[in-house]
Amino acid sequence: AQSVTQLDSHVSVSEGTPVLLRCNYSSSYSPSLFWYVQHPNKGLQLLLKYTSAATLVKGINGFEAEFKKSETSFHLTKPSAHMSDAAEYFCVVRGRTGGGNKLTFGTGTQLKVEL
Amino acid sequence: ETGVTQSPTHLIKTRGQQVTLRCSSQSGHNTVSWYQQALGQGPQFIFQYYREEENGRGNFPPRFSGLQFPNYSSELNVNALELDDSALYLCASSLMEPNTEAFFGQGTRLTVV
Repeated sequence: AQSVTQLDSHVSVSEGTPVLLRCNYSSSYSPSLFWYVQHPNKGLQLLLKYTSAATLVKGINGFEAEFKKSETSFHLTKPSAHMSDAAEYFCVVRGRTGGGNKLTFGTGTQLKVEL
Repeated sequence: ETGVTQSPTHLIKTRGQQVTLRCSSQSGHNTVSWYQQALGQGPQFIFQYYREEENGRGNFPPRFSGLQFPNYSSELNVNALELDDSALYLCASSLMEPNTEAFFGQGTRLTVV
């Protein structure tokens, strides 16, 4: 079975400073990993995905994530936070369980961006 | 916009009633998955449909059921509603092939009173 653990439930940064949202995964095979963002009262938007190609993955809005197999991590980073980045972020692993390609979500990290 | 549309956007039902939620998948996608997102939590997998057949199910009771139609749109039905069924229900559209991403609709906010 696969799972993800988001290490921080809340992260607060100042506008213009770097963002780091941490995620560790557990999978018995090479995983497909994703980061999704959810703004208040909105659906989920894909930020980026890792699917066993390049270990450094670039996504939308300046976000990127690095897949580190030795550390079983897939942390999300952004060099400079913007007010519009304030949202809930979910680390997600995809795998075949019970016949379906289901997504397993972490518990989420609420990102707050302050002036 | 993801091209995945869900209806209705909001719904209030009474405990014990039945509800049907609808999802139109993105053009070309043959797989639809449903997720339940309780307040303050991450989405939980309910089930997935591929070519009109259920293709995987999460830890949800049988009163949660679904359908997928030939045009790949889908319905989620919940019978005998309970207060704990109050949540945001999200539909995700994708291809079955590995390494493809899922695109989510805006969700249906269900409140059971």
